[in-house]
Amino acid sequence: DVKVTQSSRYLVKRTGEKVFLECVQDMDHENMFWYRQDPGLGLRLIYFSYDVKMKEKGDIPEGYSVSREKKERFSLILESASTNQTSMYLCASSADRGLGDTQYFGPGTRLTVL
Amino acid sequence: QKEVEQDPGPLSVPEGAIVSLNCTYSNSAFQYFMWYRQYSRKGPELLMYTYSSGNKEDGRFTAQVDKSSKYISLFIRDSQPSDSATYLCAMSRRNNNDMRFGAGTRLTVKP
Repeated sequence: DVKVTQSSRYLVKRTGEKVFLECVQDMDHENMFWYRQDPGLGLRLIYFSYDVKMKEKGDIPEGYSVSREKKERFSLILESASTNQTSMYLCASSADRGLGDTQYFGPGTRLTVL
Repeated sequence: QKEVEQDPGPLSVPEGAIVSLNCTYSNSAFQYFMWYRQYSRKGPELLMYTYSSGNKEDGRFTAQVDKSSKYISLFIRDSQPSDSATYLCAMSRRNNNDMRFGAGTRLTVKP
């Protein structure tokens, strides 16, 4: 059974703080993704990675960076958190680039920036 | 205009009812269409996947794609309280890194 875990379920940070969100998958998947989910907007892709040390920008990368030092771990970094980054953050992984390959999601991290 | 439009609901139906969930889209290049189910405080899970136009059935669930109208549907027959969740449509042109999601429809099935 595929499992994607995220380091925190709920997180409260202050404006200007550096924030790390971690994601770990246990199925040796090549691809990993970070999305944010906001009411009325659905899921929007922030960054994704096809391989270790590889990253590509999604639709809304501004204000975020990522790190993938190991295949199973994909971190999302908010260099200087702002209130408009308050959101639900979802990590996902999939086995390869082909469509029809399911993206498996983690439970999400609800981040509040005060 | 959003690329994918989905009525957020909420939608409330009695147990046993047939549920119809819908999305419209504007980009005719979309070829792959998916429905995800998201329970409260959980991540989305893939429910149905279809390629191009047509119908696909899986148990109580049927997905329909009408590319000429840019309209996709998910039907749930004999709905159960355990179907209560938010349903997200998603679609893509080629790879799963360019997926576009609808905002999600919140469904409640009352016993």
